[in-house]
Amino acid sequence: KAGVTQTPRYLIKTRGQQVTLSCSPISGHRSVSWYQQTPGQGLQFLFEYFSETQRNKGNFPGRFSGRQFSNSRSEMNVSTLELGDSALYLCASSLVLAGGHGELFFGEGSRLTVL
Amino acid sequence: GQQVMQIPQYQHVQEGEDFTTYCNSSTTLSNIQWYKQRPGGHPVFLIQLVKSGEVKKQKRLTFQFGEAKKNSSLHITATQTTDVGTYFCAGLINAGNNRKLIWGLGTSLAVNP
Repeated sequence: KAGVTQTPRYLIKTRGQQVTLSCSPISGHRSVSWYQQTPGQGLQFLFEYFSETQRNKGNFPGRFSGRQFSNSRSEMNVSTLELGDSALYLCASSLVLAGGHGELFFGEGSRLTVL
Repeated sequence: GQQVMQIPQYQHVQEGEDFTTYCNSSTTLSNIQWYKQRPGGHPVFLIQLVKSGEVKKQKRLTFQFGEAKKNSSLHITATQTTDVGTYFCAGLINAGNNRKLIWGLGTSLAVNP
């Protein structure tokens, strides 16, 4: 079956702009988690959605937001982009809440560059 | 705060040598998962450990979960160039209303052929 699909794969924005990233989970998966990855900082958790509800949130400013639709597809939005937002944004889907008895399936990521 | 410390941050070995990465949590974990991320790739699930003192093996990889469920290790015997990548642990804290998946910062493994 198809894996986790993230779009776009690459994008370049300028400071002050906003960006929306999309994630289509594996069919049947109800949980979608978002992570920011920068060199040396590992995977920084942004938020997790399950059945259209935000279940958990990391320590990111309010400029970072997300949502999940009834078909489990998820989007995350970053407003007023800063240079430090340049990163690989990874989406992961799972059958149950992340960390439960089931693995996370990651997408290839969306690489955002802010100039 | 709740965190998972992963050491070492980097490890450079000769092909054929063994490699171990450790994760230590300040809080008791419900379970722990391990992932591998190849350079330029995305994290891929390796295994999940749930029971206190659990040991699981996957070919040359041995995973352990401590008796107190606060630490875990991944040991690779006789490394190969295909083992190159970053290994992450992710521990689940699930106590009352506090449910979080806490990630280690990863151990990057380089293997000299």
